[in-house]
Amino acid sequence: NAGVTQTPKFQVLKTGQSMTLQCAQDMNHEYMSWYRQDPGMGLRLIHYSVGAGITDQGEVPNGYNVSRSTTEDFPLRLLSAAPSQTSVYFCASRPQDSSYNSPLHFGNGTRLTVT
Amino acid sequence: AQSVTQLDSQVPVFEEAPVELRCNYSSSVSVYLFWYVQYPNQGLQLLLKYLSGSTLVKGINGFEAEFNKSQTSFHLRKPSVHISDTAEYFCAVSETDYYNTDKLIFGTGTRLQVFP
Repeated sequence: NAGVTQTPKFQVLKTGQSMTLQCAQDMNHEYMSWYRQDPGMGLRLIHYSVGAGITDQGEVPNGYNVSRSTTEDFPLRLLSAAPSQTSVYFCASRPQDSSYNSPLHFGNGTRLTVT
Repeated sequence: AQSVTQLDSQVPVFEEAPVELRCNYSSSVSVYLFWYVQYPNQGLQLLLKYLSGSTLVKGINGFEAEFNKSQTSFHLRKPSVHISDTAEYFCAVSETDYYNTDKLIFGTGTRLQVFP
């Protein structure tokens, strides 16, 4: 069982470049989310989705786009990368019943550097 | 909106010593609290959670946490740590939005460093 798979593991971008961080899960989870982790700031929610075709913004959505065309995939797009987006990005999923009963399953992260 | 404060960014401790990692949350009508652990170069894993009932919650790897409503705290404890407990620990609170979707709000993390 692969769980939550994130690709790539590392990425270096120049300011202004665009890229997509991939996230796929094979657990048939309805809820998927993206967090960024920065030193001294913990994890902050970027975007989340409660099912195919449904997305919403988290705490820090600016500069990022998401879409959810299938249950399995939840890509995160950076349209014009900025140095402030240098961070470690985590994708996480769970069944949609509630966070109380079902813990979040995290991927191993994508470390992004924008120069 | 809910918020979580982890008062210590780093906690150094010797092996076999007890440890307490502190967590305080903003008050709300209903509170669901969690501790997650992140080992180096990995994602986060659930350590334990408090939903209701007994205020002392036991988790994996010998950790436990106590929910204290009057002090709005959810401190994590272990009576005797091992080198393998070296990791970053995150306290989190569940927040329900207008779509009735539960989101986790994380604290800033506490790095536990266990020395031999």
